[in-house]
Amino acid sequence: AQSVTQLGSHVSVSEGALVLLRCNYSSSVPPYLFWYVQYPNQGLQLLLKYTSAATLVKGINGFEAEFKKSETSFHLTKPSAHMSDAAEYFCAVTKSNDYKLSFGAGTTVTVRA
Amino acid sequence: GAGVSQTPSNKVTEKGKYVELRCDPISGHTALYWYRQSLGQGPEFLIYFQGTGAADDSGLPNDRFFAVRPEGSVSTLKIQRTERGDSAMYLCASSLDGNNEQFFGPGTRLTVL
Repeated sequence: AQSVTQLGSHVSVSEGALVLLRCNYSSSVPPYLFWYVQYPNQGLQLLLKYTSAATLVKGINGFEAEFKKSETSFHLTKPSAHMSDAAEYFCAVTKSNDYKLSFGAGTTVTVRA
Repeated sequence: GAGVSQTPSNKVTEKGKYVELRCDPISGHTALYWYRQSLGQGPEFLIYFQGTGAADDSGLPNDRFFAVRPEGSVSTLKIQRTERGDSAMYLCASSLDGNNEQFFGPGTRLTVL
C-alpha cells in the first residue's frame, strides 16, 4: 500500500522567502507522486507530478519538486513566496497506471508581508 | 470550458436523515471519483466509476453509502441514516480515463447535526 507523510501541518514564510514543503512516501512499487494546491472554497488543483521521467519536476506558479528515491522524498519548493501562494498543499501518491490517489494530511502555507 | 461542478456547496442535515450529493464531471470524461476529506485530513478515496459502472467501491465506509452514475456522466453520492461522523467535505473528480490527471470540483461540505 502507498502512503504519504507531510511534515509540518502549518508553514509560515515571509513574502520573497523560500517555500519548502516536505513530503515522504512509502510505496511497495515505483510510485507516481503529485502535489496539489487547494485555495479556499476551490477544488484541488494539480501543481506538478512525477511519473518516473525526470527527477526534478517543474510545475505551475514557479513551484518545483525533486524525487529522491534514496530518501523516499518528494519535497516541494518555490524560491520566492508570493502572497497568492497562501493555500493548503497536499502531496499524493499512487502506483503507476492506478487511479486511487493516497493523500497526505496537508500543509497550510501562510505568507507574511 | 467548464470544470467539475458539485451541488450543493453546503448541506446541513440532521442525524438520521438521507442526503444526496451531486457531481457534474467535465464533459467527455469517462472516469469519475469520489473522495471524502475530514477536517485536518487529506482526501480519502471512496469510489471510482468507469462509465456507468462502479469499478472500485472499496473506499465506501459502510453500506449506508452508495453512489450511482446511471448515464455515465452525472454522479450522485447517497448517504442513508446520516451520522455526525459523516460530516466532512465530499470531493468529486473526473478524468479522461482512469490513467489521466484527475480534475477536482470545489466540493460539498456536509454537516450532520
